[in-house]
Order: sequence, then C-alpha cells, then structure tokens
Amino acid sequence: DTAVSQTPKYLVTQMGNDKSIKCEQNLGHDTMYWYKQDSKKFLKIMFSYNNKELIINETVPNRFSPKSPDKAHLNLHINSLELGDSAVYFCASSHGTETNQPQHFGDGTRLSIL
Amino acid sequence: GDSVTQMEGPVTLSEEAFLTINCTYTATGYPSLFWYVQYPGEGLQLLLKATKADDKGSNKGFEATYRKETTSFHLEKGSVQVSDSAVYFCALRTGGGNKLTFGTGTQLKVEL
Repeated sequence: DTAVSQTPKYLVTQMGNDKSIKCEQNLGHDTMYWYKQDSKKFLKIMFSYNNKELIINETVPNRFSPKSPDKAHLNLHINSLELGDSAVYFCASSHGTETNQPQHFGDGTRLSIL
Repeated sequence: GDSVTQMEGPVTLSEEAFLTINCTYTATGYPSLFWYVQYPGEGLQLLLKATKADDKGSNKGFEATYRKETTSFHLEKGSVQVSDSAVYFCALRTGGGNKLTFGTGTQLKVEL
C-alpha cells in the first residue's frame, strides 16, 4: 500500500549517460513534485505538475526534463549526466495546490555519477 | 523570497531529555508551516503542521506552535527516545507558490 513510490531506489552510472527516474502515487492526488537533496541534506524544489500541467520550473538545467503522462505519474529524465547531479531525488504529491495541504514524499532515488 | 532558518546540528541528547529545535521563517503572505522527519535511508515523513497563527501542531509527542509575532515554529518534545534519532526539517508553503521551502535540516542523535 505504498503511497508514493519511486524507482529505482539506487542508480549508479557513468558521466555523460542518460537516465530516467519514475514516480507513481496512489493517493488520488493531482499535484506532483520533484525535489533534489544534496550531500548536505539541503532540499530544493525542481519541478511541480498540477493535473499534468507544469506549474513550477525552478532554475534547473534543461538536461532535466520531467514528464507527466497522467495525474498519478511524474517521471524525470536526465540527459548527459554530470558529477554535480549526484544527489538524492525525491518525488512528492499533494491534493491540490492549497497552502495547508501537506506533501507526501517517496523514499528517494540515490543517484551516483562515476 | 521565502526562507526558513533552522538551528545547526547535530543535536545530541540523552534519552528522556527535553528537545527544542528552533525554526524561524520569512515569507510573503500567510504561510502554512510544517515539520518533516527523515529517518536514515528513508524519505521525508510529515510530522506535524499548523496553518494559521497560534495553531499548535502535535504528533507522536512532538509539538510546535505557529508564532506569527516572532515568525517562529519551534519543535519540542518533552522526553526523546533513541528511535527519534533522525533529521528534522522545518518547511513553509505560501499562497503565492506551490512549493515547500525547506530549512537546512537539523540532525538529532539520541543516546542511551
């Protein structure tokens, strides 16, 4: 009965490769997010989708491309991976965009670039 | 822009000690405030929230009160356990945006 699930949990790959991370939520939420957590545990929003429409696109290199095929899924594709992309990537979801709605997080995808 | 400031960690306590983790914020408008907890190797879990001034959020013995006059949302627990060892994140969400703005996180270590 996992609420927000991400795959893979661990991703180790070479610099320059292209990789994807998948996220699915079964909470019936209509808003999904990608956050990046760096080595110092700092969390920063990358993207947000509401009803499959992009509503937040922070200052992220265009090598990162999110895709939301439906409200329950938000995938993240990364081209030409760089050393600085090593981090933990968290998917989250919420019901709507109201400020009082908490966001529910997945367990994270630990990306390591060699 | 919005920002959240948390006390630096790690915070090391003995079991049954009293815990306070300070959190202050700056925000446009009236934010909702949250505490999230991240256990080792896991994702973030919502611990508690408060959506308006003077609201008190509470869960699992943790409490935090939304103080508009001091723009603070300090996390407290009367008696910590070893199982409370984790990283605690204060966060806010305002009406102007859809994102959570996080503090830097405070690592708590509870020892026997």
